Amino acid sequence: GQNIDQPTEMTATEGAIVQINCTYQTSGFNGLFWYQQHAGEAPTFLSYNVLDGLEEKGRFSSFLSRSKGYSYLLLKELQMKDSASYLCAVRDSNYQLIWGAGTKLIIKP
Amino acid sequence: IAGITQAPTSQILAAGRRMTLRCTQDMRHNAMYWYRQDLGLGLRLIHYSNTAGTTGKGEVPDGYSVSRANTDDFPLTLASAVPSQTSVYFCASSEGTSVEQFFGPGTRLTVL
Repeated sequence: GQNIDQPTEMTATEGAIVQINCTYQTSGFNGLFWYQQHAGEAPTFLSYNVLDGLEEKGRFSSFLSRSKGYSYLLLKELQMKDSASYLCAVRDSNYQLIWGAGTKLIIKP
Repeated sequence: IAGITQAPTSQILAAGRRMTLRCTQDMRHNAMYWYRQDLGLGLRLIHYSNTAGTTGKGEVPDGYSVSRANTDDFPLTLASAVPSQTSVYFCASSEGTSVEQFFGPGTRLTVL
């Protein structure tokens, strides 16, 4: 079967750095996405990785290792507005997205 | 403002009733999707359409139907609602099947 695993919840301090991990087992791989979802709102796109390595976009970076079936999202200089759920999704061999359950990130002052 | 709209925002429905959730996008995206999101579970694909005139089944299609008569609209119909269909429903679209998806604001549906 297809499976995306990520921690259910994480807590971090304002101004700090946090790493959210995602491991996957899917039928085929055509890219990995990270989305941010604030409570009661729609998911919004953060990053996309299809090749191994690190993609940096401002305070957010995403890493991919295809051989390990592993990705992480790194958030630097955390702000209170970063409190949200972070969703990992893998595009499978049918080009459909398989979604993890999301990691709820709580930022404390 | 370009984007995706969904209607209604929320709905309480009696079991057995028929319900259509509306989704409209003005970005001229070819592909559109319907997902449901339940607590503790990831987004699950219900149905999708890669281009106007075609539709396909996702992971959880039973009890739902869709149509794609034109590029902009992608309605989702529950023929006879059941309590297990209580969920938040998101419509999404993408320019193709290989790029990021843009999501509508969601419809919160409660079936009693």
